[in-house]
Amino acid sequence: GAVVSQHPSRVICKSGTSVKIECRSLDFQATTMFWYRQFPKQSLMLMATSNEGSKATYEQGVEKDKFLINHASLTLSTLTVTSAHPEDSSFYICSAATVAEAFFGQGTRLTVV
Amino acid sequence: QKEVEQDPGPLSVPEGAIVSLNCTYSNSAFQYFMWYRQYSRKGPELLMYTYSSGNKEDGRFTAQVDKSSKYISLFIRDSQPSDSATYLCAMTDTSGGTSYGKLTFGQGTILTVHP
Repeated sequence: GAVVSQHPSRVICKSGTSVKIECRSLDFQATTMFWYRQFPKQSLMLMATSNEGSKATYEQGVEKDKFLINHASLTLSTLTVTSAHPEDSSFYICSAATVAEAFFGQGTRLTVV
Repeated sequence: QKEVEQDPGPLSVPEGAIVSLNCTYSNSAFQYFMWYRQYSRKGPELLMYTYSSGNKEDGRFTAQVDKSSKYISLFIRDSQPSDSATYLCAMTDTSGGTSYGKLTFGQGTILTVHP
């Protein structure tokens, strides 16, 4: 199947700093990418839908100024967690979809200390 | 009420057992149903995908969808220790395009298959 690369896989940052997570579709072009968040022992919750060349669409309750999404090309979307706080610590997963299937990245474990 | 309900388990079975995983949902617009497997600290990987009601079999895995009851199942035959993972049901309500990425997930069931 298609490959979606997410980087970094783990990151620890200090409270108040910003963290950028990259999501790349390696062998296909994805006009739409999705960002999910997963807390321990909980399901994936969609945060936002990222469309190449346009603003992301955020789900209800997700702060767009805190979670900045950029989809600069058909193969790259980034999620920046700004002014991170300990409650932002979570597992963030991106997904790139084709007309037939959604492919997930390996996830990024963010720990804010 | 959550749109998708899934018993989180954990579920522990001996090797060779038949495993039954289930989800119920409330949104009658859901048409596409998936089962994902997620190993610890990894992203989900697609196991099975079905459209509307019916059964689908792939090796040791069988997916069932009953839209009238809003109930889906995943059966694993001859379970192996390597099947130990979290299993997530997911569904979406639109067809085509890139909507397969906008999924509503169940909570996930933690499965352990012990030798």
